[in-house]
Amino acid sequence: GQNIDQPTEMTATEGAIVQINCTYQTSGFNGLFWYQQHAGEAPTFLSYNVLDGLEEKGRFSSFLSRSKGYSYLLLKELQMKDSASYLCALGGFQKLVFGTGTRLLVSP
Amino acid sequence: DTAVSQTPKYLVTQMGNDKSIKCEQNLGHDTMYWYKQDSKKFLKIMFSYNNKELIINETVPNRFSPKSPDKAHLNLHINSLELGDSAVYFCASSPAPTGGTDTQYFGPGTRLTVL
Repeated sequence: GQNIDQPTEMTATEGAIVQINCTYQTSGFNGLFWYQQHAGEAPTFLSYNVLDGLEEKGRFSSFLSRSKGYSYLLLKELQMKDSASYLCALGGFQKLVFGTGTRLLVSP
Repeated sequence: DTAVSQTPKYLVTQMGNDKSIKCEQNLGHDTMYWYKQDSKKFLKIMFSYNNKELIINETVPNRFSPKSPDKAHLNLHINSLELGDSAVYFCASSPAPTGGTDTQYFGPGTRLTVL
């Protein structure tokens, strides 16, 4: 298996910055994806990394280090609407393999 | 404009019944997928089709039979439903099989409850 691990739950305050980590144990993938899923809704695409380094997209950034088997999603200027689950996924071999997901709770 | 749609949104049925879930995408994508999300919110791929051809079957029981009449539709038929089949089933599509950077777009999900 690809053993994609994420913290189960994190809490943060509105306006703060939070980093959600994802570690994995495979080298066999083409890209690493981050999806957001609000309760009772579909996952929606946030970002992806193919090469090592940081990809920035507004308030969201994602980082990948293939040599360390590690990625993170950085959320800045947190808003209440950012309370959701964040799913890390490895893309390759014609499918996405998802991690365990991190539930983020943003409080006022 | 709904990109990926599924019907029904909710499905409650008795053990042993047979049921179907339908999925349609209007994005012009070649590839469609079925995922199962269990009670712990773990999202796992079941099947994928590329241009109506099955390309992935992730050791799903053969009670589950996907059918793709054309590349815009991927339906899931489940025979002899069991309690453990209760989950949310998501359909998704992508321009091509996710070999690298093709983003998958998910439907709203079908919550299946087997009593």
